[in-house]
Amino acid sequence: AQSVSQHNHHVILSEAASLELGCNYSYGGTVNLFWYVQYPGQHLQLLLKYFSGDPLVKGIKGFEAEFIKSKFSFNLRKPSVQWSDTAEYFCAVTLYNQGGKLIFGQGTELSVKP
Amino acid sequence: DARVTQTPRHKVTEMGQEVTMRCQPILGHNTVFWYRQTMMQGLELLAYFRNRAPLDDSGMPKDRFSAEMPDATLATLKIQPSEPRDSAVYFCASAPPRDTQYFGPGTRLTVL
Repeated sequence: AQSVSQHNHHVILSEAASLELGCNYSYGGTVNLFWYVQYPGQHLQLLLKYFSGDPLVKGIKGFEAEFIKSKFSFNLRKPSVQWSDTAEYFCAVTLYNQGGKLIFGQGTELSVKP
Repeated sequence: DARVTQTPRHKVTEMGQEVTMRCQPILGHNTVFWYRQTMMQGLELLAYFRNRAPLDDSGMPKDRFSAEMPDATLATLKIQPSEPRDSAVYFCASAPPRDTQYFGPGTRLTVL
């Protein structure tokens, strides 16, 4: 079965530290890839997405992600985190030609210390 | 700024009662999804519709849950009878054809 795996359950960083959250998926076909963020008590918001083209995609709030097809990975990065980035981050995959169903990873909780 | 809306935002009910949650998708989005989020299970897809037709409801407990789209502007998720284990945040999301899902604010359900 297709799955999405996020490497870290909880990451704790100090402000200005660099961030990298890992995401791997298991599916050999064409995929669309997403990162969503959920701030405490709020709904999921789209950070960035990859459908095709340049594998390095830039999203909102200074986030970026790189799609490496050979590694089935779509890691999220930010060079310098802020306290306001404290949230839960979800990687998700849509299997192309399968109805747009999102398969989510289990989420990574990011805590940024001021 | 178009958004998915959900009502109610919070619902507290007693075990055995019927619960109805409503979702208004973004105008022009033809696909609507229902998710449930809990600490233990994370985000689970319950059901989804395209052009108002149910495509997949395999994630939904059939005996007590039902999902419908009476028209293109309204999706409903009903639980009857509700149980404490149904306590969760229920999210609706909508998407245009072959594109990104946008999530609503969720309904936080507590079943006592």
